[in-house]
Amino acid sequence: AQRVTQPEKLLSVFKGAPVELKCNYSYSGSPELFWYVQYSRQRLQLLLRHISRESIKGFTADLNKGETSFHLKKPFAQEEDSAMYYCALVNTGFQKLVFGTGTRLLVSP
Amino acid sequence: DARVTQTPRHKVTEMGQEVTMRCQPILGHNTVFWYRQTMMQGLELLAYFRNRAPLDDSGMPKDRFSAEMPDATLATLKIQPSEPRDSAVYFCASGLVQRGVTSGRQGHRTGELFFGEGSRLTVL
Repeated sequence: AQRVTQPEKLLSVFKGAPVELKCNYSYSGSPELFWYVQYSRQRLQLLLRHISRESIKGFTADLNKGETSFHLKKPFAQEEDSAMYYCALVNTGFQKLVFGTGTRLLVSP
Repeated sequence: DARVTQTPRHKVTEMGQEVTMRCQPILGHNTVFWYRQTMMQGLELLAYFRNRAPLDDSGMPKDRFSAEMPDATLATLKIQPSEPRDSAVYFCASGLVQRGVTSGRQGHRTGELFFGEGSRLTVL
């Protein structure tokens, strides 16, 4: 069974501080991983996916198969980064997208 | 621009009543997902359709929940009878699964999922 774990419900940092939102997964196959974000009063939307290996809004995430992790990182947090962040996994066979419980990031001035 | 549309946006009902939530996926998308969002569980997958066929509804309480896609432009999630513990925000999302190569093998690949604004359900 596929499972995504986000251990932190809330992460509070000051503007300019580094941010790391943790995500661990369990899946026996070869997963595809995503980060989705939900800003206040906006729809849930894709932030980035591991196969793209891109940086979006200063965020990056590296898939570590040895540690089964896909942590989201940003070196200098901004107030506009405050949002709910969800890590998600797709199994390559069935293409079912499963989310973690989410982490709320609060960036204070 | 194309968006997933969900109705109603808000619904307050009494325990025991039937609730129907509707979703219009983006035209051309072949997958539809229903999720339930709660503080404790985050986003729980309830049902998943591809080309209107239900592929997975293992996350859905079968005794009271049902999900259907009567046509390509409409997905429904019904709760009958509703209970207070069903209070949550219900999201619909649509996407496009295409055949392609993943990890060197032919298979399917899910593109980006596009979410509706959600239906906030309160069962008293």
